[in-house]
Amino acid sequence: SQQGEEDPQALSIQEGENATMNCSYKTSINNLQWYRQNSGRGLVHLILIRSNEREKHSGRLRVTLDTSKKSSSLLITASRAADTASYFCAPNAGGTSYGKLTFGQGTILTVHP
Amino acid sequence: DAGVTQSPTHLIKTRGQQVTLRCSPISGHKSVSWYQQVLGQGPQFIFQYYEKEERGRGNFPDRFSARQFPNYSSELNVNALLLGDSALYLCASSLRQDVSPLHFGNGTRLTVT
Repeated sequence: SQQGEEDPQALSIQEGENATMNCSYKTSINNLQWYRQNSGRGLVHLILIRSNEREKHSGRLRVTLDTSKKSSSLLITASRAADTASYFCAPNAGGTSYGKLTFGQGTILTVHP
Repeated sequence: DAGVTQSPTHLIKTRGQQVTLRCSPISGHKSVSWYQQVLGQGPQFIFQYYEKEERGRGNFPDRFSARQFPNYSSELNVNALLLGDSALYLCASSLRQDVSPLHFGNGTRLTVT
C-alpha cells in the first residue's frame, strides 16, 4: 500500500510559530504530494516533490523528502490563523497507479490568533 | 477558469435508495477520480476515469459504479444505500492520468438515514 501516515494527529500552535508535520510510507515512490483540507471542503494541492528531489519550497511551505527513511516533512513557517486545516500526504508510485492517491488520517493543525 | 464543480452539495437519502452524484472537471482535464471521505478519516479512492475508460478502482463493492461522458464530466452511482455510505464524496480532476496533482471539488455531503 502507498498510504502515508501523518504525524502528529493533531498540532496546536500560536500564530507566528512554525508548524512541522511528518509523513511516513512503506514502499517506493515516484513522488509525494501534500494537500490541505479546510473543514468540510475539498482538498487543495500544496506541493509535489519527486523522488529525486530532497527539498522543495513554495512560499511559506518547505517540504523535505528522505527516500532512504521513507519519510517526508512539511514545514509551515510564520503560521497564520488561516492555516488552520487538516493536512494530508499522499505518496504516489506513478506509472500504472493511474492517479490513485491513498491518504492517511491527516494532521489537524490549529493556529490560535 | 472554473474549478471542479460537484452537484448536489448536500443530499439526504433513505437506506435502500439509489443516488447519482455529478462532477464537472476543470476545462481541459481528461482524468476524473472519485473519493469517499468518512468523518474523521482521509479520503478513500473509489474510481478513476481517463478518456472515458475506467483506469482504477478502489476496494468498494459493486453497488458503486461510475462513468465518464464525452465532455469528460462524470457521474458516481451508488445503489442499495447503507447507513455506512454516509460521507463526503469528492471528485478530483487532473490534466493527465499519472502523477498530475489532483484538483478537488468541494464535494457532495451524502447522509443516509
